[in-house]
Amino acid sequence: QLQLQESGPGLVKPSETLTLTCTVSGGFLSASRNYWGWIRQPPGRGLEWLGAITNSGNTYYNRFLNGRVTVSSETSDTQFTLTMVSVTAADTAIYYCARLWSYSDYADVWGQGTLVTVST
Amino acid sequence: QSVLTQPPSVSAAPGHSVTISCSGSASNIGSKFISWYQKLPGTAPKLIIFEDNKRPAGIPDRFSGSKSATSATLGITGLQTGDEADYYCGTWAVSLGHGVFGGGTKLTVL
Repeated sequence: QLQLQESGPGLVKPSETLTLTCTVSGGFLSASRNYWGWIRQPPGRGLEWLGAITNSGNTYYNRFLNGRVTVSSETSDTQFTLTMVSVTAADTAIYYCARLWSYSDYADVWGQGTLVTVST
Repeated sequence: QSVLTQPPSVSAAPGHSVTISCSGSASNIGSKFISWYQKLPGTAPKLIIFEDNKRPAGIPDRFSGSKSATSATLGITGLQTGDEADYYCGTWAVSLGHGVFGGGTKLTVL
């Protein structure tokens, strides 16, 4: 059974870089028809799609984040990473990684989420 | 402001039915599949409808999805107190080149 698990710092200082890793168990990033994404939920607000990477390495990003986000999977076939630069308090949120399906664009498997707080 | 528009809240009595709307445009709902998610406090979103009207295994048939032109609807019948949650629609926005969610609808089962 496919499972995803986010890991990373729970606290980041303003202007610094946030790096989160999603570890996939029971599957591989190279699986056909799947791509892998990051979604967040700030406190008291709705879901926000951040970025994703396909099994061939193509990436897609939320343009409203103004190029601050990068999704990569350079290190293994079971991990992918979210990097967000120049964080502010507005980036405080629960961050989720998820498996998505190409052409249908739905996320059927989610990690449990990790809370990231941006504060001094 | 979300690309997809949902009502902030809906409510109904136990046993009754409710619908939640999701309004978009030709470059998102009008040309791509819609999916729906149930979000309970402290838990990850749960997929309840995909490809407009399909239910994943384990999702009861009390949940249904439909789509017409640039709008989609989630229907829930036989409401239970356990259905109280936030519900989100999601799709791909062709003009933006990335995925998008609606602002979410809080369902209260009175």
